[in-house]
Amino acid sequence: DQQVKQNSPSLSVQEGRISILNCDYTNSMFDYFLWYKKYPAEGPTFLISISSIKDKNEDGRFTVFLNKSAKHLSLHIVPSQPGDSAVYFCAARRALNFGNEKLTFGTGTRLTIIP
Amino acid sequence: DSGVTQTPKHLITATGQRVTLRCSPRSGDLSVYWYQQSLDQGLQFLIQYYNGEERAKGNILERFSAQQFPDLHSELNLSSLELGDSALYFCASSGPGLGTYNEQFFGPGTRLTVL
Repeated sequence: DQQVKQNSPSLSVQEGRISILNCDYTNSMFDYFLWYKKYPAEGPTFLISISSIKDKNEDGRFTVFLNKSAKHLSLHIVPSQPGDSAVYFCAARRALNFGNEKLTFGTGTRLTIIP
Repeated sequence: DSGVTQTPKHLITATGQRVTLRCSPRSGDLSVYWYQQSLDQGLQFLIQYYNGEERAKGNILERFSAQQFPDLHSELNLSSLELGDSALYFCASSGPGLGTYNEQFFGPGTRLTVL
């Protein structure tokens, strides 16, 4: 049961343009969402997050949008840079009980920025 | 560098064997999580420890076990290994408190190959 879905396994974007990565979830109990970036041979690196009480969170070139009614979130990267080439994972969390903080991950989208 | 360390980086072993993966969390973090990433899959949550106690369990096989020691490092023990256990195993940490919005910081992973 894939509760967090990233339907695009790969995405190629021209340098300087906007990259938009999408993520859908099915569990309405999720209340916190995160994006992680992963380079080969490294662990995932936290990028940006958003709680369910917000619909947008911005950090520099990165903006995450949350549409709760559609159970959809997206990550926008503007402008895209060659160093952004990586695999991006969407993750979600729900508070089953206090302190249960497991993350449910999507399968990732490989972003390639074309110089 | 996330501050989370994992050893060894690579591990090659045979079916039926037992291995131990080690993780040291970031300084001050009390929670440790273990995730498994199989080929082309997202990260699957295995287990969480908080300050030495098991906090949450995911899809962890009975052949797998984990513990967190008083110095807060954690070990993941995998026994009676099968070919399908070949995967990347990531450790993450967060804290120091329990809270819904703590980001998890990941180590570089251990690549396990079962032959």
